[in-house]
Amino acid sequence: DAGITQSPRYKITETGRQVTLMCHQTWSHSYMFWYRQDLGHGLRLIYYSAAADITDKGEVPDGYVVSRSKTENFPLTLESATRSQTSVYFCASSVALDRSDTQYFGPGTRLTVL
Amino acid sequence: TQLLEQSPQFLSIQEGENLTVYCNSSSVFSSLQWYRQEPGEGPVLLVTVVTGGEVKKLKRLTFQFGDARKDSSLHITAAQPGDTGLYLCAGAGVGSYGKLTFGQGTILTVHP
Repeated sequence: DAGITQSPRYKITETGRQVTLMCHQTWSHSYMFWYRQDLGHGLRLIYYSAAADITDKGEVPDGYVVSRSKTENFPLTLESATRSQTSVYFCASSVALDRSDTQYFGPGTRLTVL
Repeated sequence: TQLLEQSPQFLSIQEGENLTVYCNSSSVFSSLQWYRQEPGEGPVLLVTVVTGGEVKKLKRLTFQFGDARKDSSLHITAAQPGDTGLYLCAGAGVGSYGKLTFGQGTILTVHP
């Protein structure tokens, strides 16, 4: 009964390095999301996915790449990390993309880019 | 881009007091959700309101969706230390289905 997990929970990297944040869910939810949380901004949607091999941009996609080869996994890659990408990243999943659907969030990954 | 303005950003009160958090926008939303987040964890859904004027109660928490579906409020009666946390409102724009726009959040601290 793991639900939705994220790894690593904490990551420190340097400017210019590639970083991949992992997200795994055990519910077979169709939809998965990546958000970043910064003080004063709440949560902002980076990318989302409706199913395996179907992804779309959110509000702040620049500098990020996603893939979804399997329903249960939705990795987020920072191809060349910048200091402005220092943030807490949350993965979420939901059964559908309806106005009343519940999004279930993972515990987050705190990323620091030096 | 739809914006949700949440206020206040910080709220520090004594146990037993009442409080209200507001979430306002100039845009119409098809639904409004409230989440609570504790340190080191992801947000957890408290409630979803979908009809203008709708009121939902969850124990000491009362949620209201504005008649025009542009604003919402969360009222807590007789706050307890266990209510301490970050409260987030999130709206699903008309036509954007479940893609959510979040407010900035309200950090609530309830002192014993």
